[in-house]
Amino acid sequence: GQQLNQSPQSMFIQEGEDVSMNCTSSSIFNTWLWYKQDPGEGPVLLIALYKAGELTSNGRLTAQFGITRKDSFLNISASIPSDVGIYFCAGLNYGGSQGNLIFGKGTKLSVKP
Amino acid sequence: EAGVTQFPSHSVIEKGQTVTLRCDPISGHDNLYWYRRVMGKEIKFLLHFVKESKQDESGMPNNRFLAERTGGTYSTLKVQPAELEDSGVYFCASSRTTNTGELFFGEGSRLTVL
Repeated sequence: GQQLNQSPQSMFIQEGEDVSMNCTSSSIFNTWLWYKQDPGEGPVLLIALYKAGELTSNGRLTAQFGITRKDSFLNISASIPSDVGIYFCAGLNYGGSQGNLIFGKGTKLSVKP
Repeated sequence: EAGVTQFPSHSVIEKGQTVTLRCDPISGHDNLYWYRRVMGKEIKFLLHFVKESKQDESGMPNNRFLAERTGGTYSTLKVQPAELEDSGVYFCASSRTTNTGELFFGEGSRLTVL
């Protein structure tokens, strides 16, 4: 089945640093999404991307939908302690079940104050 | 507006026992999904309800898993009999639309099978 390769697996950074993570796939997706899971909580949607080449920002977060439709990246600028958590990329295709999101394995982010 | 709620938050059972997980979606959301995350792995799709109908159950691992959504409101996911490999966090999510991928997740039910 379809799989997403998400990297890095984990990151330990200093408060104030910028963060970059990415997701690649061997197959095409029509939609890319980035979710964040805080400890003890469920994933929460951060950014959704619907068009190849689209670059979208949400505060300190910026994400891009690769033009090949096989990859996406998420950048976090000037990290703060509350950025700690697990970040998941997810891909969605039309035509199949609309709820069948394919998730990456997650990037665990730790921020040292 | 209340979010997606799941019960129990944590369940510890012996291999061979039965467990039933419950999910209450956001009011007015016709779409309800079950996902599962085994430790360190990706979050995997199990199934999708539209109201009370199973739209897609292609992710259900085997016939030990039974999901229901009678009346199109809350849903239950029963595992019977539970095996060690069923351990993980079971997430429920709901959405109003089906073509955006924008799901609202609950906090998850952690299942530990000993």
